[in-house]
Amino acid sequence: GQQLNQSPQSMFIQEGEDVSMNCTSSSIFNTWLWYKQDPGEGPVLLIALYKAGELTSNGRLTAQFGITRKDSFLNISASIPSDVGIYFCAGQFLGGSNYKLTFGKGTLLTVNP
Amino acid sequence: GAVVSQHPSRVICKSGTSVKIECRSLDFQATTMFWYRQFPKQSLMLMATSNEGSKATYEQGVEKDKFLINHASLTLSTLTVTSAHPEDSSFYICSARDRTGGSIQYFGAGTRLSVL
Repeated sequence: GQQLNQSPQSMFIQEGEDVSMNCTSSSIFNTWLWYKQDPGEGPVLLIALYKAGELTSNGRLTAQFGITRKDSFLNISASIPSDVGIYFCAGQFLGGSNYKLTFGKGTLLTVNP
Repeated sequence: GAVVSQHPSRVICKSGTSVKIECRSLDFQATTMFWYRQFPKQSLMLMATSNEGSKATYEQGVEKDKFLINHASLTLSTLTVTSAHPEDSSFYICSARDRTGGSIQYFGAGTRLSVL
């Protein structure tokens, strides 16, 4: 079956440090999305990627759609305390039905001031 | 940006009662809405896909008679948890796909259901 692996599972960093997390899939994706979820809230879209090799930034966040279409990474530069939360990758498998998304298991980010 | 409103944000009910959760797209039309369930410290688990004007498509293992979904308009979908029991206690989140926006889903703020 189709699998999506997200790593790391959790990260503890100091304010000001850069962060990197990634996702790999067993099958080709045609869309990669990165979301952030704060406790007790719904996920908020950070970045959307549509083409292999695409590199997109949103403020201090940068994400890339891997050339093989089976992976993506998210970088956060100069982390701040409000970056704390759970980050999810998500995507639609090529040939997937009804725009369903597959989600990674999330990366819990803790930023120490 | 696209806004999805989910109501209520929290509900506490007695075992055996039914609970309705609403999901509205405020500034766009959503032909497809999705309902997820999330357990503590876990990822989102898709329960069902709701298409405007047609029956919902449920994921394997999700009881359609237990979780009733109605998508009567392009901006509103509802999830009714019927005869709720303590094991139904969870965080339920809806999302909506803009009919012009490809795969992107915009999420509501979630509903915390506690069944006593």
